[in-house]
Amino acid sequence: DAKTTQPNSMESNEEEPVHLPCNHSTISGTDYIHWYRQLPSQGPEYVIHGLTSNVNNRMASLAIAEDRKSSTLILHRATLRDAAVYYCILRDISGSARQLTFGSGTQLTVLP
Amino acid sequence: NAGVTQTPKFQVLKTGQSMTLQCAQDMNHEYMSWYRQDPGMGLRLIHYSVGAGITDQGEVPNGYNVSRSTTEDFPLRLLSAAPSQTSVYFCASSYSARSNQPQHFGDGTRLSIL
Repeated sequence: DAKTTQPNSMESNEEEPVHLPCNHSTISGTDYIHWYRQLPSQGPEYVIHGLTSNVNNRMASLAIAEDRKSSTLILHRATLRDAAVYYCILRDISGSARQLTFGSGTQLTVLP
Repeated sequence: NAGVTQTPKFQVLKTGQSMTLQCAQDMNHEYMSWYRQDPGMGLRLIHYSVGAGITDQGEVPNGYNVSRSTTEDFPLRLLSAAPSQTSVYFCASSYSARSNQPQHFGDGTRLSIL
């Protein structure tokens, strides 16, 4: 399986944008890029996913590099509630991998 | 719309006891799964189901049983609890097993085996 690399931790100030990077240099052409986050004492929460083009939803934006070897999750205005561990996950388009493979993720701290 | 509901939220068992962790979803999702999360480790898949009557093993199935008699429910049974099964258990569901489908997680069951 293709692996992802994320920084262990990042800090952001409240109400400022946050850019969370993810490297996936061995990504295959059939891998979706998914982002989940896990707030303290809660289950993981789906954030966004994409294949080739940039994606936007109510929670965040996903910017995918042209060569797809990296991506960035963008939170446009961080709030204290956004403090969580953010996971970048690759999933093969065939769906043959039945599980989400969670790495260690990025612990985001939002400062008031 | 409750989403994925797990019960109980907390449980303490003695070694050798059995119990069932409940998971229910009200989104008419075909795909359901169970993960465990241990400190310092990512979530690991225990069992999954692609529809009622169909289950399969994940990465760490030993010591656990599942069944899927309805679309809504996917209980996880610990046959004879062991201290190594102390963990946080998460149930997840999605519309299908296709990789472009987001998965919805419950809030977990925190299980301690003494």
